[in-house]
Amino acid sequence: RKEVEQDPGPFNVPEGATVAFNCTYSNSASQSFFWYRQDCRKEPKLLMSVYSSGNEDGRFTAQLNRASQYISLLIRDSKLSDSATYLCVVNSGYNKLIFGAGTRLAVHP
Amino acid sequence: NAGVTQTPKFRVLKTGQSMTLLCAQDMNHEYMYWYRQDPGMGLRLIHYSVGEGTTAKGEVPDGYNVSRLKKQNFLLGLESAAPSQTSVYFCASSYSDEAYGYTFGSGTRLTVV
Repeated sequence: RKEVEQDPGPFNVPEGATVAFNCTYSNSASQSFFWYRQDCRKEPKLLMSVYSSGNEDGRFTAQLNRASQYISLLIRDSKLSDSATYLCVVNSGYNKLIFGAGTRLAVHP
Repeated sequence: NAGVTQTPKFRVLKTGQSMTLLCAQDMNHEYMYWYRQDPGMGLRLIHYSVGEGTTAKGEVPDGYNVSRLKKQNFLLGLESAAPSQTSVYFCASSYSDEAYGYTFGSGTRLTVV
């Protein structure tokens, strides 16, 4: 079983839609969680951290469910510019991040 | 600020050739990492360093060596390149506080023929 699993998608949504991605992780001792965004042929960039209490940044909301070991990312009012691959990332200890393979989002007009 | 800089950006090698990828960061980060990214597999950790003069193996270290002689630089070496090492290589750095995540370089696209 992979340490971090994501639905690869693609999720094809119209502009203005709300879309949600989930991610599951296997290491119950993990303490830090992140969502990264990766554009085609570019490096990953930190989108937001995921806190136990949840985290909201504009149109983006991230939540953590430790009991079920999953993380979610909600994007409201999708924009064309949101089209990218979203990587779920979990800290495995000793400051080593484990990356999921990513969920691809395509927002169309 | 330059952040994390990787050189070269592209390279084509013949099987058996050697090369070194250079990663440089100007953020005074303690930790540095080398990942490879292959389609459908996500980023996989090759080697990492928690400080100047230290290195450690990651998930897929075979066929690679690293050195961190200076805090700002982390070198990845391929002694005898194989087609299986065709990939995109990303360097990243971070503070020792894990909560801040990583800053990535723009990547090196390596093809081994």
